[in-house]
Formats: sequence, structure tokens, C-alpha cells
Amino acid sequence: QSVLTQPPSVSGAPGQRVTISCTGSSSNIGAGYDVHWYQQLPGTAPKLLIYGNSNRPSGVPDRFSGSKSGTSASLAITGLQAEDEADYYCQSYDSSLKVVFGGGTKLTVL
Amino acid sequence: EVQLVESGGGLVKPGGSLRLSCAASGFSFSTYNMNWVRQAPGKGLEWVSSITSSGNNMYYADSVKGRFTISRDNAKNSLYLQMNSLRGDDTALYYCARITPYGSGSNYRDSWGQGTLVTVSS
Repeated sequence: QSVLTQPPSVSGAPGQRVTISCTGSSSNIGAGYDVHWYQQLPGTAPKLLIYGNSNRPSGVPDRFSGSKSGTSASLAITGLQAEDEADYYCQSYDSSLKVVFGGGTKLTVL
Repeated sequence: EVQLVESGGGLVKPGGSLRLSCAASGFSFSTYNMNWVRQAPGKGLEWVSSITSSGNNMYYADSVKGRFTISRDNAKNSLYLQMNSLRGDDTALYYCARITPYGSGSNYRDSWGQGTLVTVSS
């Protein structure tokens, strides 16, 4: 059971918008700790997608955006493309357990 | 270009030991905190351990505390993970990742290696 809760799966058709939630508590996201997102394409290592809740590293398309409010964060992907099919993980910090990841969400592009 | 290359994985019996290595290049290794993150087959990411740039401070997940030891050699641009008393639930792909500090303590991992597989089985 992960400290940060994500839906196991989401799906969408090409061109659509999908969101992935990451729900924490008052000891992690709600305590003010920032949230970061990683994309893991099949058979590859994770790649930083969003840092500091809403910032994109160089090279990440602006179709990807992040937000944080209260004890939760969200990753939004607009203009869905087949190449976006991957696992997505949120990560933050918990005052008791230190570094914490969400359980991951598998995105399927229909 | 940042490169992180893990090695040292393999098949080990329960109770055995293994030492993982991560060779870093393309950046000033001695100025970055580093960590190990693992992923059991078909499962999600789990933080294992972190070490500060100087090597003076180490942090561990409760699941490995007392059994694993993280270390580094800045002269060799290398990160290590000594794993003792291995158990079946330690079976995973172990990633080395570079840490970039951000905000109030929630640092992020901006570069990852390809991982080295550790299998604990009799």
C-alpha cells in the first residue's frame, strides 16, 4: 500500500485529455512538500516529467502539466498521443517515511 | 550527457549478500546527492536509500534499514549499495538516480540509470 494513492489505470482516445490524481495526506503533500511526476515507458527507466508540482524539464512537451492543491496533486495530459502510453508515478516527501512514491498509473491510449 | 550505469545484480540465495555499483559520468558527481530506487517485477517504484554529496549522511527505507548500506567514492564517480541478509521481497530492478534539491525537502530524481536486476531465490 503506497503512501501516495494513484488510480491503477486511466485511458483515453488520441487527442483527448486525461488526468491522473495523486492523493496524499497532511504528513506529505498536505504538509507543503512538493510533488514530482515520472513517466516510465514500457521496458525503460523512469524519466522526470514534472518537477516542483508544475514545472516541465527541458524537452517535455507542454501537453503535460501538473498542479497541486491541499493534500493532492494532478497530472494532466492534453492532445493524447499513442507514444504517451506508459506508467506514471508521483513522488513527494513524507515527514515519517521520507521519500514516497505513488503506486503508479497505467495510461492506455485507446 | 549525464550517464548512470548500474552493475552487480544477479541471482543470490536468501540470506546472501550482493554489492551493487553505479558508475556516473557527464556531471560533477561529487556535488550531487544520490539514491537507489527499486522496482519489483510488475510493481511500482520504491525508494531504497539516499546519500548526501559528501557521503556523510545516509538515509534508508524502513524495509532495508540495518541490512543495506549505501556508500560512494567521489574520486571514482561511483555509488554503491551493499545488500546483506537478502530476502525474496528484495527481488527487484535496482535503479541509481541523481537527486536535484527542490523546495522544502521534496527533492526530485532528474537522471536515472537503466537498472540492474537482483533476484533472491533458492
